[in-house]
Amino acid sequence: GEDVEQSLFLSVREGDSSVINCTYTDSSSTYLYWYKQEPGAGLQLLTYIFSNMDMKQDQRLTVLLNKKDKHLSLRIADTQTGDSAIYFCAESSPTSGTYKYIFGTGTRLKVLA
Amino acid sequence: AAGVIQSPRHLIKEKRETATLKCYPIPRHDTVYWYQQGPGQDPQFLISFYEKMQSDKGSIPDRFSAQQFSDYHSELNMSSLELGDSALYFCASRAQGGHEQYFGPGTRLTVT
Repeated sequence: GEDVEQSLFLSVREGDSSVINCTYTDSSSTYLYWYKQEPGAGLQLLTYIFSNMDMKQDQRLTVLLNKKDKHLSLRIADTQTGDSAIYFCAESSPTSGTYKYIFGTGTRLKVLA
Repeated sequence: AAGVIQSPRHLIKEKRETATLKCYPIPRHDTVYWYQQGPGQDPQFLISFYEKMQSDKGSIPDRFSAQQFSDYHSELNMSSLELGDSALYFCASRAQGGHEQYFGPGTRLTVT
């Protein structure tokens, strides 16, 4: 997505933590999401954060939001081989009237056994 | 729990043919979105419907049209297909009052 940027690749060892980063430009974004896409599959909602929060934890997932810098990150603790996939951040805003998503470019996470 | 259903899952068409993709949202979801994901790319918003009316339009070619029916299912009609239309087409639905979208498994369209 032209307004939402992510690094393209990340490689980690099994058991390590993974941190996937995302920068966005729309300061009116109200909700920010992380989706997981496995090869040839659909988009699975992992978690989301409201723009008035700076952190959200959900089991192995921790989302950090720096609204000033428009920077979002997803930390996966104890990364497993099953976490290998493409991770997309997405933003939406009610100013669009429809909460349509603008997706990031996607980060391909490879977990090495 | 019921999920978004898309059909067909795979579709192969030749250039200049037409294709129709169908989407059945989660029950009681009244908003439907269509996205196109080209090979190695992020999903791009095409069009959305709320209560059977078009609510937003993105980068959808004029050759494509879509509608939402009284039972809230939606169809994406694609005519004069081009090789560049080969992609994964996702439908997503959202509940009234909610913000998150739930995605279907996608329809993989291959144009030869």
